[in-house]
Amino acid sequence: AQKVTQAQTEISVVEKEDVTLDCVYETRDTTYYLFWYKQPPSGELVFLIRRNSFDEQNEISGRYSWNFQKSTSSFNFTITASQVVDSAVYFCALTKAAGNKLTFGGGTRVLVKP
Amino acid sequence: DAGVIQSPRHEVTEMGQEVTLRCKPISGHDYLFWYRQTMMRGLELLIYFNNNVPIDDSGMPEDRFSAKMPNASFSTLKIQPSEPRDSAVYFCASSLAVPTGNSPLHFGNGTRLTVT
Repeated sequence: AQKVTQAQTEISVVEKEDVTLDCVYETRDTTYYLFWYKQPPSGELVFLIRRNSFDEQNEISGRYSWNFQKSTSSFNFTITASQVVDSAVYFCALTKAAGNKLTFGGGTRVLVKP
Repeated sequence: DAGVIQSPRHEVTEMGQEVTLRCKPISGHDYLFWYRQTMMRGLELLIYFNNNVPIDDSGMPEDRFSAKMPNASFSTLKIQPSEPRDSAVYFCASSLAVPTGNSPLHFGNGTRLTVT
């Protein structure tokens, strides 16, 4: 069975601080995909990134960066120089290769204060 | 593109009533998913369709829940009879191909259901 754990339920930071969201996953599959989604206060879920299990390169997109470490089954997400607009719930998710069923973590609520 | 469109945005109903949630996926997307989000259980996959055919409904909680996709541009999730524990946000999502390919899930804005 697959499992995604986001141990941090809520993180509060002041604007311009960096914030790192932890994601730890469990799977028996050797090939799998990991995702991050953002859910702003308006409620929709916005896709941020997809990473497959063979690609351990870290990725940076603007103020967002992701650190994938297969050895520790983690796929952490860092927001650099946070802004108020980053306030949202962030979900980490996992699916097996060619799979259609995403298993979501419980989400981490990020509150960025001005 | 208009994105995934769900209606209604909010639904309040009394226990025992029938509830129908609607979804219009992104045009051209072959996969459609229904998810439910609650505080206790987080985001759960209820059912998904490929080319209008239900592929996996193992997440549907009970026989009170049913989903249909009569054509490529429309799907419904029906709860009959509804119960207070069905209160949740229901999301519809679609993807061009399997979400593990170059085709992430695109979610609608959700329907917040309250059963009193």
